[in-house]
Amino acid sequence: GDSVTQMEGPVTLSEEAFLTINCTYTATGYPSLFWYVQYPGEGLQLLLKATKADDKGSNKGFEATYRKETTSFHLEKGSVQVSDSAVYFCALSSNNNDMRFGAGTRLTVKP
Amino acid sequence: DTAVSQTPKYLVTQMGNDKSIKCEQNLGHDTMYWYKQDSKKFLKIMFSYNNKELIINETVPNRFSPKSPDKAHLNLHINSLELGDSAVYFCASSQERGRAEAFFGQGTRLTVV
Repeated sequence: GDSVTQMEGPVTLSEEAFLTINCTYTATGYPSLFWYVQYPGEGLQLLLKATKADDKGSNKGFEATYRKETTSFHLEKGSVQVSDSAVYFCALSSNNNDMRFGAGTRLTVKP
Repeated sequence: DTAVSQTPKYLVTQMGNDKSIKCEQNLGHDTMYWYKQDSKKFLKIMFSYNNKELIINETVPNRFSPKSPDKAHLNLHINSLELGDSAVYFCASSQERGRAEAFFGQGTRLTVV
């Protein structure tokens, strides 16, 4: 069945550092791919998405590119802020199947 | 307006009790879900409902039962609560099952003592 594997972390960075959180997937069809963010005490919020190969999703300085050849959707940000501290989830959803999430990666950004 | 709202936000109860968590979405979505998030933040899908029809039930004990009075609501009933049921439960909805983004509620932190 469909599955997502992401770097579990935790990841600790200094402010303005470069961020990469790796995500790879397994799916029988052509899924849509997502990154969600969960701030402390809150629900999950959609950060960005991509629906087909080579699409790049972007939002709030975060980017991820749908790479079919490597079945990956790595999350990147050029300069993180303290306010980016949260748990990040990679997810996929394919036709007639429910969304599947990775294990989540906790990011802590220190001033 | 909150897109997906669930109540209560916190629920503390004793073992053996029966409890319910309510969920409502005002997005006009056709599919609703319940997820369980454990202490390590791992998310596990419990149920999904599409047009009032249960689609999946992934190895969830039958003490858990979803009830959908209409397309906008999906409540979660839990009977005979156990210590291991302590977790955060999230309701979510999406326009369709598959390929569409999901919108999440704020979560209900259930603590069984």
